[in-house]
Amino acid sequence: GQQVMQIPQYQHVQEGEDFTTYCNSSTTLSNIQWYKQRPGGHPVFLIQLVKSGEVKKQKRLTFQFGEAKKNSSLHITATQTTDVGTYFCAGPNTNAGKSTFGDGTTLTVKP
Amino acid sequence: GAVVSQHPSRVICKSGTSVKIECRSLDFQATTMFWYRQFPKKSLMLMATSNEGSKATYEQGVEKDKFLINHASLTLSTLTVTSAHPEDSSFYICSGQGADTGELFFGEGSRLTVL
Repeated sequence: GQQVMQIPQYQHVQEGEDFTTYCNSSTTLSNIQWYKQRPGGHPVFLIQLVKSGEVKKQKRLTFQFGEAKKNSSLHITATQTTDVGTYFCAGPNTNAGKSTFGDGTTLTVKP
Repeated sequence: GAVVSQHPSRVICKSGTSVKIECRSLDFQATTMFWYRQFPKKSLMLMATSNEGSKATYEQGVEKDKFLINHASLTLSTLTVTSAHPEDSSFYICSGQGADTGELFFGEGSRLTVL
């Protein structure tokens, strides 16, 4: 079945450092979504990428969708303590309506 | 964005009892809702897809008789954990899917502890 893998599993950074998480799918995706889950909270939608090679920015966050639409990345510039949480990518399953989530990357930021 | 309300947020129960978790879409109609289970420091594991007016579709390995799902209206889906055991203790989250973009709107989650 479809697999969505994310690396790294954990990332500890000093405040101000950059952070990147990578997402790889075993199958080509029609789109990819990114979610953030704060400690003790629930996942919150960040963005959806649809086009091959697409790059979208949200302030200090940059999202990329690979040319082959099988991988994606999320890059945070100059991390802040408010960036702490687990970042998940999700791709639609071959069965309509379902999404397969990556294992997530948990970011901790040291002040 | 759309709002999905889930309750209770926390529940503690004794082994053998049943627990019902509700998930409501407050400002949109969700013909499909998803139920997940999340273990500490782990990803979201899809348990089942809840379809309004029809039977839920369960993922492989999920016992449908243990995790009863009902989606009686376009705004309400419920998950009932029957005859709960300590190993059922977990964080359960629901989500509804936006019709336009397909993004998932998650409930706040329910932390179940079975003693």
